[in-house]
Amino acid sequence: DAGVTQSPTHLIKTRGQQVTLRCSPKSGHDTVSWYQQALGQGPQFIFQYYEEEERQRGNFPDRFSGHQFPNYSSELNVNALLLGDSALYLCASSWKRGGLVNYEQYFGPGTRLTVT
Amino acid sequence: AQTVTQSQPEMSVQEAETVTLSCTYDTSESDYYLFWYKQPPSRQMILVIRQEAYKQQNATENRFSVNFQKAAKSFSLKISDSQLGDAAMYFCAYRRPNTGNQFYFGTGTSLTVIP
Repeated sequence: DAGVTQSPTHLIKTRGQQVTLRCSPKSGHDTVSWYQQALGQGPQFIFQYYEEEERQRGNFPDRFSGHQFPNYSSELNVNALLLGDSALYLCASSWKRGGLVNYEQYFGPGTRLTVT
Repeated sequence: AQTVTQSQPEMSVQEAETVTLSCTYDTSESDYYLFWYKQPPSRQMILVIRQEAYKQQNATENRFSVNFQKAAKSFSLKISDSQLGDAAMYFCAYRRPNTGNQFYFGTGTSLTVIP
């Protein structure tokens, strides 16, 4: 049973560029959340996708956007990259049935983004 | 906004000994979930233990147990019989009810296990 997978593992971008990160949830999971983990900090919630819609959003600017596909995989897009966007981006999946959200989240290994 | 505070940036423990990691949180809600996650150098966050706020009994998972003090808003993790594989960053996390799975994390405690 594959867990949460993310690609790419590492990425280096230049200020002002755009980046897309990808996540495949654990088998049987339909809800995907994205977190940003700056160096030496705990993860911060960016947003969550369920049924191909953004359901919740943390305190992040509109430069951060996402998408969820019918197979439940998800993308995180960041436009106009800033040096401060350098971080580990974590994807987490869980499931939702009849409005009940399983509170266990399974995390992927993350994508390390470096903005120069 | 919910805040989670881990006041110990670093901790160390001798192999086979016991160590306690501290966590406090701020909330006005009565029903919520608390978690401890482990993040080894491989970066993958691994769930260690969880506690539902409505349960008075402290959660236990093998060598890991918590001391949940709801009135004090304290949620500490005790690791017994520490092993070299326990070395990692440990994050305390809070989940609000009815918000899907939006977690609030502390800044982490780096645990070193000394052979």
